Amino acid sequence: EAGVTQFPSHSVIEKGQTVTLRCDPISGHDNLYWYRRVMGKEIKFLLHFVKESKQDESGMPNNRFLAERTGGTYSTLKVQPAELEDSGVYFCASSRLDRASYEQYFGPGTRLTVT
Amino acid sequence: RKEVEQDPGPFNVPEGATVAFNCTYSNSASQSFFWYRQDCRKEPKLLMSVYSSGNEDGRFTAQLNRASQYISLLIRDSKLSDSATYLCVVSAYSGAGSYQLTFGKGTKLSVIP
Repeated sequence: EAGVTQFPSHSVIEKGQTVTLRCDPISGHDNLYWYRRVMGKEIKFLLHFVKESKQDESGMPNNRFLAERTGGTYSTLKVQPAELEDSGVYFCASSRLDRASYEQYFGPGTRLTVT
Repeated sequence: RKEVEQDPGPFNVPEGATVAFNCTYSNSASQSFFWYRQDCRKEPKLLMSVYSSGNEDGRFTAQLNRASQYISLLIRDSKLSDSATYLCVVSAYSGAGSYQLTFGKGTKLSVIP
C-alpha cells in the first residue's frame, strides 16, 4: 500500500511569492489533515478534510493560507503571499473515516523556506 | 501552560539501557493517546497507542494515568536504532466535528554504542 505522498519535498521562495503544496493521501482514506512545524516548536494542526469538505480549519493561521481538496482525493495548500514566519515543515496526514480519532499516517513533509 | 509537555532531552544512553519518557497533557477531555517516533528530517510514525490498562509491544511499554493526565513510555534494552525523537501525542474532539492531534515538542533519544 502506497503511503501519503507530498510534493515538493523542499521549496525556497521569496517573501511575497506564492507557493502551493500538494498532498496525496493513502487510497481510500477520507480524512486528510494538514499540520505544520515551525523551527523550535511542536507540530501544530492546521485543518481537516473529510472527503472534499473542510471539517475543521480552526488551526489555519490566517487568510493567506487556502486549502482545497477538490474531488476528495489529493489536497493542495496554497500560501499567498508568503511571509518569513511561514517557513517550516508542512505535513499532511490521512486516516480512514472509521478511525478518525487515531492512526493518522503522515507524509514526508514539505520543507518551506521563505527568504 | 503547554497542552502537551515533554522533557526535551536529549537523553544519551548506552546500548542495553532502559530509558523512560514522561509526558503530561492539559486537556482533560483528551480521548486517545499515542507515542510517535520521528527520525531526523522524516515524518512522525506511530509507535504505539496508549491505554489506561497499559500496553506493551516488545521492548516498549506505555502507560496512561488519566487522573494525573500523565503518559509514559519505557524502552528496555535500548538499541542503536532506537535513536530518534519521541513525540507524545493526544487526540481530543475539537468541537468542530474533528479529532485534533496535539503534539508535544518531543524528547530526543541518542543510544550510544
